[in-house]
Amino acid sequence: DTEVTQTPKHLVMGMTNKKSLKCEQHMGHRAMYWYKQKAKKPPELMFVYSYEKLSINESVPSRFSPECPNSSLLNLHLHALQPEDSALYLCASSQAGGFTGELFFGEGSRLTVL
Amino acid sequence: GQQVMQIPQYQHVQEGEDFTTYCNSSTTLSNIQWYKQRPGGHPVFLIQLVKSGEVKKQKRLTFQFGEAKKNSSLHITATQTTDVGTYFCAGSRTSGTYKYIFGTGTRLKVLA
Repeated sequence: DTEVTQTPKHLVMGMTNKKSLKCEQHMGHRAMYWYKQKAKKPPELMFVYSYEKLSINESVPSRFSPECPNSSLLNLHLHALQPEDSALYLCASSQAGGFTGELFFGEGSRLTVL
Repeated sequence: GQQVMQIPQYQHVQEGEDFTTYCNSSTTLSNIQWYKQRPGGHPVFLIQLVKSGEVKKQKRLTFQFGEAKKNSSLHITATQTTDVGTYFCAGSRTSGTYKYIFGTGTRLKVLA
């Protein structure tokens, strides 16, 4: 079992829909990440929040909008996505500051854009 | 930008044989992590290497960090069917950064 919980596990949306992915951890980690993973490819870093502030944005299109409401929650708001955005979206958390150490990944949200 | 390549891309081994995957970075790394992702699963942390030339062992797994801190390897002795999955290295250029770049991965299949 993972200590990072992601919902929903599966999501199908049309290109005009607005949806959100949610991630929650209760390990006291103050760094949280969104990664995107296409089939048979490595995870690609999208965003990092550190102490609830956006620390890294890897030039992600604005149709992806991250939000960190508090130290335990991380959201990814989706709007006007394209079919090529279909992928597994992985949330991860780690210690913040100094050595981040291990990334704890959730099981992911598998997104299909029609 | 920073690139992290792994070879081989795929490896099929007979159960009991050894397996090695190599990770090469285009830039010097501060530290490197290794993850295993089972089919249909999520990446799970295996180990972190920090020091130049560091070698760490976990049961049948041996991890090495190169002297120049630009490459790393994972060696599995006497593979088992439970070793099936994709092995990723993930490198960080700077200590204290959150930016871990994942390698291209090596997919391991173990034939019983």
